[in-house]
Amino acid sequence: EADIYQTPRYLVIGTGKKITLECSQTMGHDKMYWYQQDPGMELHLIHYSYGVNSTEKGDLSSESTVSRIRTEHFPLTLESARPSHTSQYLCASTKGDSIYSYGYTFGSGTRLTVV
Amino acid sequence: QKEVEQDPGPLSVPEGAIVSLNCTYSNSAFQYFMWYRQYSRKGPELLMYTYSSGNKEDGRFTAQVDKSSKYISLFIRDSQPSDSATYLCAPSNSGGYQKVTFGTGTKLQVIP
Repeated sequence: EADIYQTPRYLVIGTGKKITLECSQTMGHDKMYWYQQDPGMELHLIHYSYGVNSTEKGDLSSESTVSRIRTEHFPLTLESARPSHTSQYLCASTKGDSIYSYGYTFGSGTRLTVV
Repeated sequence: QKEVEQDPGPLSVPEGAIVSLNCTYSNSAFQYFMWYRQYSRKGPELLMYTYSSGNKEDGRFTAQVDKSSKYISLFIRDSQPSDSATYLCAPSNSGGYQKVTFGTGTKLQVIP
């Protein structure tokens, strides 16, 4: 059973709407990440956080923003959704300094469709 | 050129077959090599990792890295229908900021 939870699982929303994708983890992990995944494409890192009040942009340019006010919570917000934002968004966390030995724990994702 | 290239498949094999999944990469800074498994409508989960060149075995799974040719492999012995998933190779650099680069994934179907 995953200890990282994403809501909603599926979201269909109109262009221009503001949306927040929720991500919570119960493992006490300091490091959290948001990835974007499209069919047949690699995962792209869009935001990450190494702890409370720490957020950084990832490799893929994104119009989204994130916040980290509590260790367990890392929401992603789109101020004005566009069809180009249609994608699957995956939240992940990891413990310790070695992402290779512990790996990421991923949520099940939010499938976003902007119409 | 992508840093990590992975054959997208799909790869369809009969139950009990030996499966070979492969990636090539171009970044010499990669030191750690992970394999993730992703079931449909789920997030990826870490399957195993290796450090530098060599082999690592875990049950029916063997990960192999050849840094001289920048080639990563995952072998699955006695494949089972429950192995049907997408497999992503994910090499990473070492150092203070560890960046993971994911492959596009190979979709595997094991037919009973």
